Amino acid sequence: GAGVSQSPSNKVTEKGKDVELRCDPISGHTALYWYRQSLGQGLEFLIYFQGNSAPDKSGLPSDRFSAERTGGSVSTLTIQRTQQEDSAVYLCASSLRENYEQYFGPGTRLTVT
Amino acid sequence: GESVGLHLPTLSVQEGDNSIINCAYSNSASDYFIWYKQESGKGPQFIIDIRSNMDKRQGQRVTVLLNKTVKHLSLQIAATQPGDSAVYFCAERAYRGGSEKLVFGKGTKLTVNP
Repeated sequence: GAGVSQSPSNKVTEKGKDVELRCDPISGHTALYWYRQSLGQGLEFLIYFQGNSAPDKSGLPSDRFSAERTGGSVSTLTIQRTQQEDSAVYLCASSLRENYEQYFGPGTRLTVT
Repeated sequence: GESVGLHLPTLSVQEGDNSIINCAYSNSASDYFIWYKQESGKGPQFIIDIRSNMDKRQGQRVTVLLNKTVKHLSLQIAATQPGDSAVYFCAERAYRGGSEKLVFGKGTKLTVNP
């Protein structure tokens, strides 16, 4: 079956511009997660959605970062006024049960010039 | 502070040898652990998981061992193959920022030499 998909796969933007990253989770998965991975580093939790509950935003690094999940499926991560330190791979994952086995997408590589 | 980390950032083995990748965790309340494999340019891929009420769990060519006494987790890969070359992450389910979430270590890069 289809896995988690993300788009775009690569995004180059100028400092100060806004970007939107998209995630399509596995159908039927109620939990959706966003992580950030800098070069050679582990995964940094950003935000997660579980069903209709309020999202856990505790990992968002600043108010320039926001995310929404429409209709319990597709999610968009928005970064406003991008900075060079935002350059990283942004990974999305979904799971059938909250905080159990997560299935990851291929990621979006964001480069801020 | 609490953390999930790995003893060795890199590991190099010969094809056919067994590999052991280690992970230390500091949260004794963590009840669930996962190992992920991440190949270059791809997202992490689930390998195997283990609950805290178990000491050992086996999959295909992989075994995860959990030692709660010393808070240590290891991933053993039997007869390592070139396709096993990747970065391996352990993750624990723990409370962070007021809620339960998976916390990932920094990863160990495994290189399999032919």
